[in-house]
Amino acid sequence: KAGVTQTPRYLIKTRGQQVTLSCSPISGHRSVSWYQQTPGQGLQFLFEYFSETQRNKGNFPGRFSGRQFSNSRSEMNVSTLELGDSALYLCASSGDSWSGNTIYFGEGSWLTVV
Amino acid sequence: AQSVTQPDIHITVSEGASLELRCNYSYGATPYLFWYVQSPGQGLQLLLKYFSGDTLVQGIKGFEAEFKRSQSSFNLRKPSVHWSDAAEYFCAVVPGGYNKLIFGAGTRLAVHP
Repeated sequence: KAGVTQTPRYLIKTRGQQVTLSCSPISGHRSVSWYQQTPGQGLQFLFEYFSETQRNKGNFPGRFSGRQFSNSRSEMNVSTLELGDSALYLCASSGDSWSGNTIYFGEGSWLTVV
Repeated sequence: AQSVTQPDIHITVSEGASLELRCNYSYGATPYLFWYVQSPGQGLQLLLKYFSGDTLVQGIKGFEAEFKRSQSSFNLRKPSVHWSDAAEYFCAVVPGGYNKLIFGAGTRLAVHP
């Protein structure tokens, strides 16, 4: 069974640009969540989607957005990039609608903003 | 607010020595608890989880963790550490509701030969 797949793995963007990251969850998983990891702030929850609906959102500015498609694949978008957005963005998927299921992570997308 | 504390930022152990990584959580009820490991440049790999039942849980790579409600702790242990265990370890909780993990700051483990 394939794991959580994130693309692209590495990317470099310029301040002010926007970026879209993609995540394909484990087959059959309907919950997809996103996290940002930085040396200073650690691992922080961005948002979670289940069946195309955003169910929970972390404390990030509106420049961070996401969506989920009917096949459970998810994208997150960051607009008007700032240097501080440089981070590892991790996607995670889980099987069911309640939090008792195991949450599996992808390898992440490394974003560098210059 | 829910929180997770990992008191040790860095730990160094000798290969073959035992290991205990500490994790304390703050939550009114019993949360779902996880330990993840992250090697440099990699994503997070699940080591083990606790949802309910037996408070001593076994995970992959010879790790185990014990949930102690009275101490609000979920410490990770391994009886004999291998050089390949060098990585960063994260304790996390799902307080209840949706799949939102709250992570501790992590403990970076170094293993001396």
